Amino acid sequence: GQNIDQPTEMTATEGAIVQINCTYQTSGFNGLFWYQQHAGEAPTFLSYNVLDGLEEKGRFSSFLSRSKGYSYLLLKELQMKDSASYLCAVRGNTGGFKTIFGAGTRLFVKA
Amino acid sequence: DADVTQTPRNRITKTGKRIMLECSQTKGHDRMYWYRQDPGLGLRLIYYSFDVKDINKGEISDGYSVSRQAQAKFSLSLESAIPNQTALYFCATSDLGTSQETQYFGPGTRLLVL
Repeated sequence: GQNIDQPTEMTATEGAIVQINCTYQTSGFNGLFWYQQHAGEAPTFLSYNVLDGLEEKGRFSSFLSRSKGYSYLLLKELQMKDSASYLCAVRGNTGGFKTIFGAGTRLFVKA
Repeated sequence: DADVTQTPRNRITKTGKRIMLECSQTKGHDRMYWYRQDPGLGLRLIYYSFDVKDINKGEISDGYSVSRQAQAKFSLSLESAIPNQTALYFCATSDLGTSQETQYFGPGTRLLVL
């Protein structure tokens, strides 16, 4: 079956670093996405990994290990506005290359 | 102006009523999707369309139907609404021409079925 697991909630302090993990089991693999979603708003794209390794984009970095079915999103220099849900999503390579979304990790950033 | 728009943004309806949620996009993307989001369950795919003549069921299509009226428009219908269809509904688009195919989401429609 297809499954994406990520922690339900995390709390971190402003200015700190937080790592949000994601493990997946999917029918084929054609890329892993991280989206950010503020409460009541639409998900917005953060990062994309298709090869193993680390992709860095400003304060946000995303890592992928395809052999382990594992990814993480690293947020540095946390700001209060980073309080949101972070969705891990995997695109398969069968059945129309559909994207499967995890339930999301709700991050609370405290002062 | 937003690239992906949804109407209405909020809707309250009664059990058994037929309702339609509409999605329009100005991104010129071929692919469009309808998802529902429930607390703790994440985004689940209802239907998707890769072009005007292509409609495909997602993982939870029962009780829903769709219409792709044009490249830019994709509508979701609930023929006879029931309370467990209360959810936040998102439309999304993606560009077939890119290998990455990031999805771009509309602002969502919050639906309450009484």
